[in-house]
Amino acid sequence: SQQGEEDPQALSIQEGENATMNCSYKTSINNLQWYRQNSGRGLVHLILIRSNEREKHSGRLRVTLDTSKKSSSLLITASRAADTASYFCATLTQGGSEKLVFGKGMKLTVNP
Amino acid sequence: EPEVTQTPSHQVTQMGQEVILRCVPISNHLYFYWYRQILGQKVEFLVSFYNNEISEKSEIFDDQFSVERPDGSNFTLKIRSTKLEDSAMYFCASSSFYNEQFFGPGTRLTVL
Repeated sequence: SQQGEEDPQALSIQEGENATMNCSYKTSINNLQWYRQNSGRGLVHLILIRSNEREKHSGRLRVTLDTSKKSSSLLITASRAADTASYFCATLTQGGSEKLVFGKGMKLTVNP
Repeated sequence: EPEVTQTPSHQVTQMGQEVILRCVPISNHLYFYWYRQILGQKVEFLVSFYNNEISEKSEIFDDQFSVERPDGSNFTLKIRSTKLEDSAMYFCASSSFYNEQFFGPGTRLTVL
């Protein structure tokens, strides 16, 4: 898989359920960032987790990072219809590069 | 809360014409970026800018592209002679060192 590859590519759930999205990457990273994008709109930064961190919380979001498996997961608890969007993971490669490498994204649909 | 702003939100141009996309990064950030997203595809890095010079650029960022910080607040992307394949959403982003990259709402460029 390519750097920053999300899995699954699409997920449809009911309001109130939890949504889990996974991201795999290939290179050593400095940090990993999750973004949300509503259809045709801008990228909203959700959370950043650094390579020396294993878990981070922000409101209803929980992010984990396993650098040995080169993977991360984003959990959205108690989902709402407003969480319907595409979600992207993006990695900042270790070694001085400042560019974020994005995955293809995952489409989450939360049905009311 | 400070945010990155971009103008215009939508730009339509004829093939071969020059376009300038404008961005106002978050005021205390030192790193500035341009990314683009062709419809239905991944977000791709174009260029990063720090200390008034390009610090990194991708293969996409060829001689047709240039960036400038003409004053203390604006950051621009110029495409000298647009091609059909330049049609995309262009995002500006800014960050402090190795931290979250905050994105603007994007400029949708349509080349006819």
